[in-house]
Amino acid sequence: DGGITQSPKYLFRKEGQNVTLSCEQNLNHDAMYWYRQDPGQGLRLIYYSQIVNDFQKGDIAEGYSVSREKKESFPLTVTSAQKNPTAFYLCASSMPGLLSNEQFFGPGTRLTVL
Amino acid sequence: LAKTTQPISMDSYEGQEVNITCSHNNIATNDYITWYQQFPSQGPRFIIQGYKTKVTNEVASLFIPADRKSSTLSLPRVSLSDTAVYYCLVGVGNTPLVFGKGTRLSVIA
Repeated sequence: DGGITQSPKYLFRKEGQNVTLSCEQNLNHDAMYWYRQDPGQGLRLIYYSQIVNDFQKGDIAEGYSVSREKKESFPLTVTSAQKNPTAFYLCASSMPGLLSNEQFFGPGTRLTVL
Repeated sequence: LAKTTQPISMDSYEGQEVNITCSHNNIATNDYITWYQQFPSQGPRFIIQGYKTKVTNEVASLFIPADRKSSTLSLPRVSLSDTAVYYCLVGVGNTPLVFGKGTRLSVIA
């Protein structure tokens, strides 16, 4: 089955700890994205990558870091510098070279910092 | 990136047709209009996309007037399972999408 997987579905961490969220896709998509969603709000862009070994900051990149060493993988690290990390995190990918901008989303990871 | 404006919430009874209108006054020439559906604690799901006039698929129809400054998502005969948040976005290619708060549709039995 082709798609995007995110793990884990639920994650609990103590304040001050770094935590890495996994995102893997087997759709052969060049572009990948990380969004954050707070209750009752829309999605906000954290980081995105349009090609391997390259990525750009989104609207709320502070306190987060990413890497894109492989086409299939785009892990997100939530660092201790992120002031309010408790949120629902969504990863997405999109088709290369098309005018349309359909993005495929993973199931999300709900992070709770205690 | 073009911004969109859509109603915060809508209510509908089962079996009715629901129309959600989105305003995108600053849409660029190459931008497509895309609608997503999101259920609680899930990632958004693509519903329909169009550039101009009318697009229809098995789930919905999308109406886009000639000036492309707005679009209307039409859901025929909604059921309780259509209760979700619906997002209207504009953009092109692999550029990041800008999600607003969407429209929260509540379908009532």
